[in-house]
Amino acid sequence: KAGVTQTPRYLIKTRGQQVTLSCSPISGHRSVSWYQQTPGQGLQFLFEYFSETQRNKGNFPGRFSGRQFSNSRSEMNVSTLELGDSALYLCASRKTGANTEAFFGQGTRLTVV
Amino acid sequence: AQKITQTQPGMFVQEKEAVTLDCTYDTSDQSYGLFWYKQPSSGEMIFLIYQGSYDEQNATEGRYSLNFQKARKSANLVISASQLGDSAMYFCAMREGNKLVFGAGTILRVKS
Repeated sequence: KAGVTQTPRYLIKTRGQQVTLSCSPISGHRSVSWYQQTPGQGLQFLFEYFSETQRNKGNFPGRFSGRQFSNSRSEMNVSTLELGDSALYLCASRKTGANTEAFFGQGTRLTVV
Repeated sequence: AQKITQTQPGMFVQEKEAVTLDCTYDTSDQSYGLFWYKQPSSGEMIFLIYQGSYDEQNATEGRYSLNFQKARKSANLVISASQLGDSAMYFCAMREGNKLVFGAGTILRVKS
């Protein structure tokens, strides 16, 4: 059974540019969440999608957006990149259910220069 | 809001020995679940073990077990017979709605 796949693994972008990250969940998982991990702030929740609808959003500026497609694949977009957006972006998928475990991808490491 | 506290920034353990990683939590919910994840240097978060608040027994998964003390709001991870491959960052987490709230993590180094 294939795991969660995130592409690309590494990205280097310039300030002011925009970037799109992709996440393919485990087959049958309809919930996809995104997290940002930085040394200073740790793991922070960005947003969660279920059946193409955003159900939750974390405390991030509007430059961070996402979407989910009918096949449950998800993308997140960051516009007008800032140096502080440099981070590991992790995607997780899970089945529905109150306390089902989330399975994570290997992450996309974004560096903004 | 849920809160997870991991007070050990780093831990060392000798290969083949057991180690306990601490996690305390704060929640007003009666029903909740606690998760432990391992993050090697590659970056991927690997699910290790889950404990439900109403589970009567402490969770175990192979060499991983949870020392769950509900009254003290603690859910410590015990790794038995440590291996060099256990060297990684370990995170305790709790679900809050549709998101996970993570602790700051503990770096574990296994010495040979």
